[in-house]
Amino acid sequence: ETGVTQSPTHLIKTRGQQVTLRCSSQSGHNTVSWYQQALGQGPQFIFQYYREEENGRGNFPPRFSGLQFPNYSSELNVNALELDDSALYLCASSSKTGSTEAFFGQGTRLTVV
Amino acid sequence: KNEVEQSPQNLTAQEGEFITINCSYSVGISALHWLQQHPGGGIVSLFMLSSGKKKHGRLIATINIQEKHSSLHITASHPRDSAVYICAVASNFGNEKLTFGTGTRLTIIP
Repeated sequence: ETGVTQSPTHLIKTRGQQVTLRCSSQSGHNTVSWYQQALGQGPQFIFQYYREEENGRGNFPPRFSGLQFPNYSSELNVNALELDDSALYLCASSSKTGSTEAFFGQGTRLTVV
Repeated sequence: KNEVEQSPQNLTAQEGEFITINCSYSVGISALHWLQQHPGGGIVSLFMLSSGKKKHGRLIATINIQEKHSSLHITASHPRDSAVYICAVASNFGNEKLTFGTGTRLTIIP
């Protein structure tokens, strides 16, 4: 086990609703990155949080937002859900100490109907 | 063209065979990761390397920075090795986000 925990593991939402996904980081890690993995595709970078600040963002609309807390856990919020938001959402924790090794959670599978 | 290309996309082999999965990338990187993803989604980090070669059990990963190419080898493959293997690169442009390949689906037949 990596020590990175995501919740919930599965979620079904209706189009137009809002969702919050959660990620606890590995002990000692101060950076959390979120990725979206559509079926049959490689994960795509959504954004990264470092010490509670957004530190880079991929090509995702503003309705994808995030937070990082003082204990370095993180949330991903998605507003106005669309059918295409159905995917596996992965978080990865790492530490900006020169090593870029990342530890992944098990993911949250979101289905939008 | 994707920044990270993997080959093959699908690979089926008999138990015991030597497996090679290739990864080519087109951007500058600080590190390259090999990851394993089983059905259900969870990703496990196998290797992170920025030069040379690393070995862990039956798994070997190599990288050639000049050629922007990496390989993952599995010796004495076993059905439990069946999974999707993903190559991901960490850019050297600040935020170290990972850019992923689309993965290689490996199936080992007993």
